Amino acid sequence: AQSVTQLDSHVSVSEGTPVLLRCNYSSSYSPSLFWYVQHPNKGLQLLLKYTSAATLVKGINGFEAEFKKSETSFHLTKPSAHMSDAAEYFCVVRWNQAGTALIFGKGTTLSVSS
Amino acid sequence: EPEVTQTPSHQVTQMGQEVILRCVPISNHLYFYWYRQILGQKVEFLVSFYNNEISEKSEIFDDQFSVERPDGSNFTLKIRSTKLEDSAMYFCASSSGQGDTDTQYFGPGTRLTVL
Repeated sequence: AQSVTQLDSHVSVSEGTPVLLRCNYSSSYSPSLFWYVQHPNKGLQLLLKYTSAATLVKGINGFEAEFKKSETSFHLTKPSAHMSDAAEYFCVVRWNQAGTALIFGKGTTLSVSS
Repeated sequence: EPEVTQTPSHQVTQMGQEVILRCVPISNHLYFYWYRQILGQKVEFLVSFYNNEISEKSEIFDDQFSVERPDGSNFTLKIRSTKLEDSAMYFCASSSGQGDTDTQYFGPGTRLTVL
């Protein structure tokens, strides 16, 4: 069955240190992949998306993600965490064509300490 | 920058009552969606809407739910007879539907509390 798995429910880092949020998907083909962020009491904001043009995708606020087909992964990284990065992060896949459902992972809560 | 808006931000209702959640999608978008997030759980797809009809729906979207685009700008989700388990954050989204780069943009959500 097709699924998306976020490997960590909670990640804690110190300000200025790297961030790694892990995401794996299971599929026999390459889906469209996204990372969304949800700050407390806010809506869902698109961080970045993979569209097959490049395997390394750069997003907003210094985040980037690398699509690795051999590992069926789409991990989110940032070289240096900022306090404002504290939020819930969702790895999201779209299996089918444009206009169809997004399937969300369970989310990873990122905490950043000073 | 264009954005999706939703009203109200918080709705409290009694079990068995009907509620209508409202959304204004981005103006040139063609696809509209509803998702929900029960507290502590992941975001779940409910329904997508294109060309004035439902294009896809999940198992959650049963006969208690309906969607409508009553005019050129609004997109609504109606829950006919609310249940306690309908309490959740409901997100509206819209997209242009253009190929691989199609991106769904989400509104801020409506928190529905059923008492």
